[in-house]
This record gives sequence, C-alpha cells and structure tokens, in this order.
Amino acid sequence: DADVTQTPRNRITKTGKRIMLECSQTKGHDRMYWYRQDPGLGLRLIYYSFDVKDINKGEISDGYSVSRQAQAKFSLSLESAIPNQTALYFCATSGVDSTDTQYFGPGTRLTVL
Amino acid sequence: GNSVTQMEGPVTLSEEAFLTINCTYTATGYPSLFWYVQYPGEGLQLLLKATKADDKGSNKGFEATYRKETTSFHLEKGSVQVSDSAVYFCALTTDSNYQLIWGAGTKLIIKP
Repeated sequence: DADVTQTPRNRITKTGKRIMLECSQTKGHDRMYWYRQDPGLGLRLIYYSFDVKDINKGEISDGYSVSRQAQAKFSLSLESAIPNQTALYFCATSGVDSTDTQYFGPGTRLTVL
Repeated sequence: GNSVTQMEGPVTLSEEAFLTINCTYTATGYPSLFWYVQYPGEGLQLLLKATKADDKGSNKGFEATYRKETTSFHLEKGSVQVSDSAVYFCALTTDSNYQLIWGAGTKLIIKP
C-alpha cells in the first residue's frame, strides 16, 4: 500500500463550487504539506502543518483552507473554486529534520470550468 | 531570499548518452540540497540528496556533488535509459527554513 494517498485523483468542477481534497499518510510523520504544480512553475507551497495544532500558510494560500483532522490526515479545501485554480495538487509528508525526505502522494488533477 | 535555478527543458537525449542537468542556488545559512524525480503520472520521489559541502549524493546511477564555491548541485548520469524520462526537480532547505524551495523542473526525454 502507498505511504501517502490522495482522493480524488481527478476532479472536474465548476466555478464557485466548494471542493475538498483529502490526504492520508501511513508514515507516522508529524509534518504534512499541500503543494500546487503548474507547468513551468515547479511546485508552490499552499499550506503546511508541523503537527495537528500547528498549521501555517505557504507561498500561495489565498483562496485555500486546510484542516488537520489527525496526525495522518490533512485536507485542502477550495471554498469557491475559480478557473485559475486548475492545477495538479500534491500532498506530502516528512520527518522533523530539515534534511528529511518529503514523501509525496500521487497527486490530484483538478479542473475548474 | 533563497532560490533555486535549473536549466530549462526539455532536454532530449539518445539512449546511453551522458546527462547533465544544471542546478544553482542562492541561500542564507547552510542549505541541504535535493534532487527529486517525477515519472509520468506519478508524484515526486527523492532521487538523491547532500547535506553539506563536498558531499556527493548518488542513486540509480545518478550523481550530484554539493559545490559551495560555485553554489551548484548539478545532476549527472553516465549513460541514460529510456526509463529515465521524467521531470527532475532541484530543491533546497536551510536550517532556519524547513520548507523546500523548488526549482522549476527540467523535463528529460530519452529516445531509443
């Protein structure tokens, strides 16, 4: 079984709809991350969480919110989706050292029409 | 601020060719450096890393040496295969910043 799972894998929605992307991990890590990938821009950090009670905004948090329901679960919400939020979204998890590997989920491809 | 610059892609090579993907960085403090790889349709996975100057990371025939004097961490492989076709990302963290700072990624295409 995969260490980091994301649901759904693909989603098409309409402008103005609320969308939730879910992430679960079995690595036992405290730290979890949500990234957005756009062609030619690499990955940009949306939110990160160092533990259940510590949630922080990343580089591009506007229009997004998150919930850390448990150590293993970190969900990303788009309260009112807009077309420029069409992208590939990745969840990741890591240990507490800055040299630790980040483990990524398979990604969710979101299209906002 | 901290940043990572990678050579633009796509890079197209024939099988068994020598590969270099350039990566340079700007960072305060003492960064750790990483190469991640993204195969088609998959998430990213760590390829190799180096945590101090002159360290060499290696994995699956790929190597990269942490060069503090040139602020570089170039990725190399002596003989590429079709299965190496992927997008490669260079990234860094510093002691004071636990976030990964990412390069834009370089798409590698290997032709048989």
